[in-house]
Amino acid sequence: GDSVTQMEGPVTLSEEAFLTINCTYTATGYPSLFWYVQYPGEGLQLLLKATKADDKGSNKGFEATYRKETTSFHLEKGSVQVSDSAVYFCALSRTMDSSYKLIFGSGTRLLVRP
Amino acid sequence: DTEVTQTPKHLVMGMTNKKSLKCEQHMGHRAMYWYKQKAKKPPELMFVYSYEKLSINESVPSRFSPECPNSSLLNLHLHALQPEDSALYLCASSQELAGQIYEQYFGPGTRLTVT
Repeated sequence: GDSVTQMEGPVTLSEEAFLTINCTYTATGYPSLFWYVQYPGEGLQLLLKATKADDKGSNKGFEATYRKETTSFHLEKGSVQVSDSAVYFCALSRTMDSSYKLIFGSGTRLLVRP
Repeated sequence: DTEVTQTPKHLVMGMTNKKSLKCEQHMGHRAMYWYKQKAKKPPELMFVYSYEKLSINESVPSRFSPECPNSSLLNLHLHALQPEDSALYLCASSQELAGQIYEQYFGPGTRLTVT
C-alpha cells in the first residue's frame, strides 16, 4: 500500500542553520504531496504542496520539490528561526471511493536553538 | 477566510457520559474529515463526509458517531468511551471537485480526556 517515510527526529539546529527534512514515498501513480506543520498545542497547518513531478512548492522560506525519479519530497529552508520549532509531517493524497485521504509520515520534530 | 473552528478546545468526560465535538467551516468546502491524533503520532483518519454523505469510515468503533447536518457543520458524538480514546481530535475540510485533489485545512483540535 501507499506509505510515507520521514527521517527520525528530533532535529536540533542553531538559528540561521540550513534545514533539510527527508521524505520519501511509496505509491502507485502520481499522488499529490504535502508538507504540514504542527506547532505545540495546535492543529496542522498546510506549509506547501506539489501536485505533479518537478513541481516546487514554497512558502515562508520553505521549499520542497516533487522528485518522481527518487520518489522524494524533501523539505528545505536556508535559514531557520526559533519560531520554526514544530513537528513537520510529510503526506501524500490518494483517491478513495468518492473522496480522498491523506497518508502521513510519522512526523519530524524540529528544535531550533537561539 | 481559511479557518476551521472546533469546540470545545478541551473536554474531560467519564466513560458513561455522552458528549459531542463540533466543527465548522465557511469556505464552501464540500468534504469534511475527522482525525484522531495520539501524542507524538501523525493524525489517523476516522471519517470522511462528501457532500454531507458519509463516504469513508475507517472501521471506527460505534462509540464514535459522526453527523454532518449541513455543508458547514460536522459533529462527532461520543458515548461510552474508553480511556484509550483520549487524544486530540482534529477536524479538516477541503474542496472537492471531480478529478481534482485539494489540500485539507485543519482546525485547532479538541483535546479529549476520558477518565
